[in-house]
Amino acid sequence: GDSVTQTEGQVALSEEDFLTIHCNYSASGYPTLFWYVQYPGEGPQLLFRASRDKEKGSSRGFEATYDKGTTSFHLRKASVQESDSAVYYCALSLASSSFSKLVFGQGTSLSVVP
Amino acid sequence: AQTIHQWPVAEIKAVGSPLSLGCTIKGKSSPNLYWYWQATGGTLQQLFYSITVGQVESVVQLNLSASRPKDDQFILSTEKLLLSHSGFYLCAWSLGEYEQYFGPGTRLTVL
Repeated sequence: GDSVTQTEGQVALSEEDFLTIHCNYSASGYPTLFWYVQYPGEGPQLLFRASRDKEKGSSRGFEATYDKGTTSFHLRKASVQESDSAVYYCALSLASSSFSKLVFGQGTSLSVVP
Repeated sequence: AQTIHQWPVAEIKAVGSPLSLGCTIKGKSSPNLYWYWQATGGTLQQLFYSITVGQVESVVQLNLSASRPKDDQFILSTEKLLLSHSGFYLCAWSLGEYEQYFGPGTRLTVL
């Protein structure tokens, strides 16, 4: 079945460090890829999405590029802040019907210290 | 602007007791609606989806049921809670097959 793998379960950084969270997917078709962020006690918020090979999504200084060749959608940020501490989820959706079926990765908990 | 409201914010219930959680979407006409469950520290698992009023499809069997009595309302319920039902319940909406937008969630503790 379709799946998303996030390599890092937890990431601990200092402010102004560079962030990379790895996301690889496996899908039978051509999925749309998403990054969501979830703060404690809240629902996930959409960061951005990408639908085509080589398309770059970006928001709030975060970015990721859809790479069909390596089936990846790694999240990056050049300089993290303490306020970026949250759980980040990579997800995919296959638009095979009129509804959205999201498959989420296991999530990566980011902790940024001042 | 669209808003999504979930109630209650939190519940503490006894094993074997009934449960009803609600979700209302304002500002969008005929959205697709979804229920998710999230264990503490875990990922999101889609439970149900609904494309239109009166129609609900189950994705995962967790001894829960869902109904959509109105275009803007989605209800999650069970007659008998299990310990394993504890967690964070999230309602979401989408327009067609695109990205989903999540509500603030309901924290359920079953004792």
